This record gives sequence, structure tokens and C-alpha cells, in this order.
Amino acid sequence: EDQVTQSPEALRLQEGESSSLNCSYTVSGLRGLFWYRQDPGKGPEFLFTLYSAGEEKEKERLKATLTKKESFLHITAPKPEDSATYLCAVQARNDKIIFGKGTRLHILP
Amino acid sequence: DGGITQSPKYLFRKEGQNVTLSCEQNLNHDAMYWYRQDPGQGLRLIYYSQIVNDFQKGDIAEGYSVSREKKESFPLTVTSAQKNPTAFYLCASSIDGRGYEQYFGPGTRLTVT
Repeated sequence: EDQVTQSPEALRLQEGESSSLNCSYTVSGLRGLFWYRQDPGKGPEFLFTLYSAGEEKEKERLKATLTKKESFLHITAPKPEDSATYLCAVQARNDKIIFGKGTRLHILP
Repeated sequence: DGGITQSPKYLFRKEGQNVTLSCEQNLNHDAMYWYRQDPGQGLRLIYYSQIVNDFQKGDIAEGYSVSREKKESFPLTVTSAQKNPTAFYLCASSIDGRGYEQYFGPGTRLTVT
């Protein structure tokens, strides 16, 4: 069964304390893996697309990496404005898209 | 400005009434989607459409209906048959639904009492 699991469910960090969010997936043929950021009461905002193992993408303090079984979203020296829920989604070869439940990230000033 | 819009932002209805949520995009995307988001759950797919005049059921289509008469528009009707309609509804679009990222609207929060 196709599945996406994100961990941890919630993470509290001090400002400047780097960490990683995990997205583990099981899918019959990966077409793409997507990361989104969602602020409370708003729609998700696209961050990255990764297509193959070994691929990396970076944007400001965020870096996404991909292996054959999981993806990591690394956040370096986070600021309070990075607080949000981060969603991972996987698209299978049959075009089905599966979302994880997200990681709620809170950066303390 | 290209984007995807949903209206209204908040919607209140009485039980037993049908309600239609609007979704419009000017990104020239072929694929459009409707999701439902409940606290503590991931996004769940209601319906999707990869081309005008064609749409498919997602994982939780019961009690919902859609139409795709124009490329830009994908309205969702929540019918009285939907047992638990109170939720946050998100519309999204992507270039063609095959390996491209989705762009989401701001969402509509529906409350049914």
C-alpha cells in the first residue's frame, strides 16, 4: 500500500538551532516528491520537487534531499518566521498523490 | 498576477442544504484538485480533473460532486449526503498532474450546523 509518514509530528527549536524533518515513503514507482509549507488557516505553499535519489534542492535556510526510501528537509539556523507546518507529498507512477500528516515546526525566539 | 482563488473564505450552512465552493485559476493549468483537511489528518483527495469535461473520484468522494466545464474553473458542491461536511477545503492546480507540483488556493472553511 502506498504510504507517506512524516516525523516528528511536532518540533520545537530555539532560534538558530538547526534540525531535520523526515518524510518516509512507500510507493509503487516514484514520479515525484514534494515539500510544502502551510501557515495556520492558509493553503500550502510549494517549496521543492525532488525526482530521483541523490537529488538536493536549496532555498534560503531550507535544503531538501531524497533517497530511495525517504526525504529530509534540513533547516539551518531557523528563525521564528520559519514556524509553520511542513507537508510532504509523493506522486506515484499511476499519478496518485499521497500527503503525509505534516510536521508542526515552532521556532522560539 | 497568476494564481488560484477560492471563495468564500468562510461559509456557514444549515444541515440538509447543498453548498457550492468556488475555485478559479488563471495559471493555464490542465489539472485541478479538491482536498479536505481536518485537524490531525493529512490532505485527503475528494475529486480531481486532468482535463476539461473529465474528472475522477478521489479517496473520499461520497457526498460531493464537481464539474469542469471550463479550464479555469472547478467548483465543488457539498451535498446534504455528506455526513460530516464541516472542514477546511483546499483547491489546487498543476500543469498536467504528472510529476509537477501543485499550487493551492487560500482555502474555504465550511461550517455546517
